[in-house]
Amino acid sequence: AQSVTQLDSHVSVSEGTPVLLRCNYSSSYSPSLFWYVQHPNKGLQLLLKYTSAATLVKGINGFEAEFKKSETSFHLTKPSAHMSDAAEYFCVVSARMDSSYKLIFGSGTRLLVRP
Amino acid sequence: GAVVSQHPSWVICKSGTSVKIECRSLDFQATTMFWYRQFPKQSLMLMATSNEGSKATYEQGVEKDKFLINHASLTLSTLTVTSAHPEDSSFYICSARGPLGSLWGEKLFFGSGTQLSVL
Repeated sequence: AQSVTQLDSHVSVSEGTPVLLRCNYSSSYSPSLFWYVQHPNKGLQLLLKYTSAATLVKGINGFEAEFKKSETSFHLTKPSAHMSDAAEYFCVVSARMDSSYKLIFGSGTRLLVRP
Repeated sequence: GAVVSQHPSWVICKSGTSVKIECRSLDFQATTMFWYRQFPKQSLMLMATSNEGSKATYEQGVEKDKFLINHASLTLSTLTVTSAHPEDSSFYICSARGPLGSLWGEKLFFGSGTQLSVL
């Protein structure tokens, strides 16, 4: 069975400090993994995706994530948080189940950035 | 936790027919629902936002008459792809949010998606 677990519902950091948003997945197949961000009153925006190429994936706005198969993790990081990074972040795994294709979303992590 | 049920999970239809996709919030009142589509190897694209009892707000480039969205109750929103054509084949997913200020309003809850194939 495929599943995604975002370990923290809220993460609070100070501006200029590193960001770590954790994500663990479970998949019977070689998964594709994504991180999406949603700012208030806006749609989802793709930050980055892993599709079995390089395990360290660089995304937009200075974010990156590392696929670790042995740990079944795909944590999202950024060296230095900016106030504009405050948003909701979703870890997503794509899975092919029988004849259908599914996206499985984590429960989301709200990132708060303190001045 | 909150659950959003989306049906069907996959559908195959003939060109020219209409297809309805349902999205239900099972244990909270979904005051706002979002509909997304995803083409292969691309990211999710927001199609429209609907608030219960109001007309949906469509994103630029999304045909209102092609993709009919109904959000007549607090637990159900439907997306109807009218006169479907092969280029409408895509993955559609809904998400729902409860009233702002409530527990269900703090997060988005996602359906499991619908794979539409138009022959």
